[in-house]
Amino acid sequence: QKEVEQDPGPLSVPEGAIVSLNCTYSNSAFQYFMWYRQYSRKGPELLMYTYSSGNKEDGRFTAQVDKSSKYISLFIRDSQPSDSATYLCAMTRDDKIIFGKGTRLHILP
Amino acid sequence: EPEVTQTPSHQVTQMGQEVILRCVPISNHLYFYWYRQILGQKVEFLVSFYNNEISEKSEIFDDQFSVERPDGSNFTLKIRSTKLEDSAMYFCASSLAGLSSYEQYFGPGTRLTVT
Repeated sequence: QKEVEQDPGPLSVPEGAIVSLNCTYSNSAFQYFMWYRQYSRKGPELLMYTYSSGNKEDGRFTAQVDKSSKYISLFIRDSQPSDSATYLCAMTRDDKIIFGKGTRLHILP
Repeated sequence: EPEVTQTPSHQVTQMGQEVILRCVPISNHLYFYWYRQILGQKVEFLVSFYNNEISEKSEIFDDQFSVERPDGSNFTLKIRSTKLEDSAMYFCASSLAGLSSYEQYFGPGTRLTVT
């Protein structure tokens, strides 16, 4: 079983819709849970991070962690065409980040 | 806003040649990292570096790879005797603290093409 699993998509939704992105993981030792956004041919950009189970909100973005189910989610409200990118879930173990494969998201105008 | 920079943006080299990828981390950061992303694959950790030594490395980071901080600003990744499968995007990242390594800032990457 892979440490971090993420559906690669692509996921296409109309502008204004709520987007739900998810990852599952297998290692209980993961400490921080993050979401990165990566535009084509650019480096990953940290969007949000959480440490404990529960929800964390930042503007249109909500990150959710369920440690008992080893499941994390990112919700994007009122999606915009500029949100079109690849979204990477990631988790820390010791001093390194383990990434999911990324989900390609297209917001259709 | 401070950012991580990387040079060159694109490097083409022949198989068997040595390449050096350069990074300038954010100036007050103490921890430095290299990651790679093969086209269509996930971003993979290569190595972390702190206090002038490697703190952790992955199984990918074998004897053909080395890292160095030759001065107070640059952080380099050297690949000796490049192979075709080394073709990838290489990202440098830096963070202020290691234990809170969630807050790593990534550079724009160097695209390495080995022919």
